[in-house]
Amino acid sequence: DSGVTQTPKHLITATGQRVTLRCSPRSGDLSVYWYQQSLDQGLQFLIQYYNGEERAKGNILERFSAQQFPDLHSELNLSSLELGDSALYFCASSASPGHAQYFGPGTRLTVL
Amino acid sequence: AQSVTQLGSHVSVSEGALVLLRCNYSSSVPPYLFWYVQYPNQGLQLLLKYTSAATLVKGINGFEAEFKKSETSFHLTKPSAHMSDAAEYFCAVSDRSSGNTGKLIFGQGTTLQVKP
Repeated sequence: DSGVTQTPKHLITATGQRVTLRCSPRSGDLSVYWYQQSLDQGLQFLIQYYNGEERAKGNILERFSAQQFPDLHSELNLSSLELGDSALYFCASSASPGHAQYFGPGTRLTVL
Repeated sequence: AQSVTQLGSHVSVSEGALVLLRCNYSSSVPPYLFWYVQYPNQGLQLLLKYTSAATLVKGINGFEAEFKKSETSFHLTKPSAHMSDAAEYFCAVSDRSSGNTGKLIFGQGTTLQVKP
């Protein structure tokens, strides 16, 4: 158990819908990262927050957004969903940038 | 831009044999380096990390990796494979330059098969 929790574990929805994925980092970790894992793209960095502020953006679509709340949990919002958004979404946390990241169990999103 | 290459998308070894999973990175400055393992339907588990303290890094489950700057490599090894080692392994790098965000760049992964 990494100490990082993600909910829900599975999510099935339809095209055009909006979903929210939630992540709670390890106790004491200030950095939260979101990654997408798909068969064709592999593991791709989406976005990072540090102590409530956005620090870095990767290959994140404009339809996707995220935030980190004062209690340090984070949410990833995916809107206007397309079939190609079906993937595993991982959250990871670290004490600070450059330290090892610990991953949650992931949320498997299926868009029908 | 940084990149990671894992040579061999599939590696098959017999139980008890040496495991060698290859990883090469491309970066102007030696980065932080990590190996993660992913078992089916699970998240990624950190095996080991290189942050410049020592070039030979020991991790969990008997794995180790050696950082070789001249070869820009960080290969993962285990002397004797066990059936439970069958999984997908990912090499990842993180920029250590100023302004480092810590975001990880992953290789494409290597699936390790262990035959009885």
